[in-house]
Amino acid sequence: KNQVEQSPQSLIILEGKNCTLQCNYTVSPFSNLRWYKQDTGRGPVSLTIMTFSENTKSNGRYTATLDADTKQSSLHITASQLSDSASYICVVRNGYNKLIFGAGTRLAVHP
Amino acid sequence: DAGVTQSPTHLIKTRGQQVTLRCSPKSGHDTVSWYQQALGQGPQFIFQYYEEEERQRGNFPDRFSGHQFPNYSSELNVNALLLGDSALYLCASSAMGQYEQYFGPGTRLTVT
Repeated sequence: KNQVEQSPQSLIILEGKNCTLQCNYTVSPFSNLRWYKQDTGRGPVSLTIMTFSENTKSNGRYTATLDADTKQSSLHITASQLSDSASYICVVRNGYNKLIFGAGTRLAVHP
Repeated sequence: DAGVTQSPTHLIKTRGQQVTLRCSPKSGHDTVSWYQQALGQGPQFIFQYYEEEERQRGNFPDRFSGHQFPNYSSELNVNALLLGDSALYLCASSAMGQYEQYFGPGTRLTVT
């Protein structure tokens, strides 16, 4: 069954600290994996997209990793800011052009 | 260049009523997908339109229907509303064959 599981479900960190969000998937065949940031009540905004051959991709303070062998991805946020408070959603596209969404990790950055 | 736009931003309906949500895709995009996102959950795929036809459909009942117009804009219609239909409805556009999908701001539907 195609599934995307994210952990933790929610996370609270202090401003300036780093954090890592996890995504495990059982999607097959795999096409690509994306991380989205979604502010409350808004549409998701793409942070990174990674294909099978890519291990690491950065977008400013966001760095995503992909291990296609273990079917795991992580999103690392460096030097967190208050504006990083949002839900982070992992989305995997399968070979049939279907997107499978994770439930998201809700991150709260406190001053 | 305007991104994906949706209207209205917020809507309140009564159980049993019908609702129509609208979406205009990003310039240059010809494919529109609709998603339902319940509070605290990830988006659930409803259907996708390309060339004015429904190309893919998720696990949603026939109460959910859609349409795509020649200018690529799209509508989502929901009949016989249930309380459980309360959610954020997201529209996303893309160019057929391209990986990147851009989301609109969503329409918050509340069914009372």
